[in-house]
Amino acid sequence: DGGITQSPKYLFRKEGQNVTLSCEQNLNHDAMYWYRQDPGQGLRLIYYSQIVNDFQKGDIAEGYSVSREKKESFPLTVTSAQKNPTAFYLCASSLPPGSNTEAFFGQGTRLTVV
Amino acid sequence: AQSVAQPEDQVNVAEGNPLTVKCTYSVSGNPYLFWYVQYPNRGLQFLLKYITGDNLVKGSYGFEAEFNKSQTSFHLKKPSALVSDSALYFCAVRDPLSGGSYIPTFGRGTSLIVHP
Repeated sequence: DGGITQSPKYLFRKEGQNVTLSCEQNLNHDAMYWYRQDPGQGLRLIYYSQIVNDFQKGDIAEGYSVSREKKESFPLTVTSAQKNPTAFYLCASSLPPGSNTEAFFGQGTRLTVV
Repeated sequence: AQSVAQPEDQVNVAEGNPLTVKCTYSVSGNPYLFWYVQYPNRGLQFLLKYITGDNLVKGSYGFEAEFNKSQTSFHLKKPSALVSDSALYFCAVRDPLSGGSYIPTFGRGTSLIVHP
């Protein structure tokens, strides 16, 4: 089945640790995105990538980093510089710019700082 | 710049009654509009979209939405609500002429609660 897979579903991080969230898609989509979801705040864009080896900061990129070495994969690292990382993280993908298709979402990773 | 507003944080409706979840948008050109649904601790699922053509679009699970250009609205509707429709609903907009910004902008979400 085609789709987006995020792992792990739940992740616990200690203060000062970096953690990496995985996002893999087999939809052959060029564009991939990371969103952060907090209660009552909707979805906020962290990073996005239009093509392999290229990515751009979104609205709340501070404290996060990404890579796009393969078309299928767009991992997100939450660094120790992110002061309030506890949230629900969503990865999405879509066809290239100009396409009128919708975005496809993974099932999310819930990150909790302990 | 593109933006979308969902003016209601929560909508309550009795099972069997019609439901409406409101969405208004702002773009510089003609919009692409989308509705998604999210169940607890899950990702977003696509419901329907308006790109061009008929202002009334039909989607999954019996939902429909009407594009109203003069009111810049794209309200989600269903003739008869089910308890299983209870979820968080997101409206999203893309402006295809926004200088390469193909990223959708999402509303804050509306929690739909359908009472038995």
